[in-house]
Amino acid sequence: AQRVTQPEKLLSVFKGAPVELKCNYSYSGSPELFWYVQYSRQRLQLLLRHISRESIKGFTADLNKGETSFHLKKPFAQEEDSAMYYCALKRQAGTALIFGKGTTLSVSS
Amino acid sequence: KAGVTQTPRYLIKTRGQQVTLSCSPISGHRSVSWYQQTPGQGLQFLFEYFSETQRNKGNFPGRFSGRQFSNSRSEMNVSTLELGDSALYLCASSLEPSGSNEQFFGPGTRLTVL
Repeated sequence: AQRVTQPEKLLSVFKGAPVELKCNYSYSGSPELFWYVQYSRQRLQLLLRHISRESIKGFTADLNKGETSFHLKKPFAQEEDSAMYYCALKRQAGTALIFGKGTTLSVSS
Repeated sequence: KAGVTQTPRYLIKTRGQQVTLSCSPISGHRSVSWYQQTPGQGLQFLFEYFSETQRNKGNFPGRFSGRQFSNSRSEMNVSTLELGDSALYLCASSLEPSGSNEQFFGPGTRLTVL
């Protein structure tokens, strides 16, 4: 079955500390994975996708097929990074996504 | 370019009633997906439409249905509402049903069933 697991509901860090938001997936085949972010009172929006191998707002994520993981990392957290982060896996057909339950990142000074 | 719009933004219904939610995708986008968001279950896929055809359906009862019009606008309908249908319903649009296309989400319709 296709599934996305985000083990942490809440991650609290201090400004300047490294951040790692965990995501594990279950999928048979070549997965397409994404990180979406929802800032307070804003819409859900794409942060990054694994096929782009890009860094957005200082965040990176590497697909590890051996560990079936797609953890989101940032070396130095900023207060404006505080948001809800969702890891998502594309279903086998179409554009529909399977989401994890999300992790709230709280960055304090 | 205007974003995805959803109407109404808030809705209160009672058990047994039915409801229709509307979604207007970004101009030029032809694929529309619907999701239900609840505190307990998170974001769950409902269905996906492209060119007025349902391409994918999530694991929801038949009370949940949808359609897409020739201008790519989409509606979803929930009949015989239950308390558990209270949720935020999100619509997302993308250019075409190819996995690499980014999905753009609307603000959602908050449905409360009393």
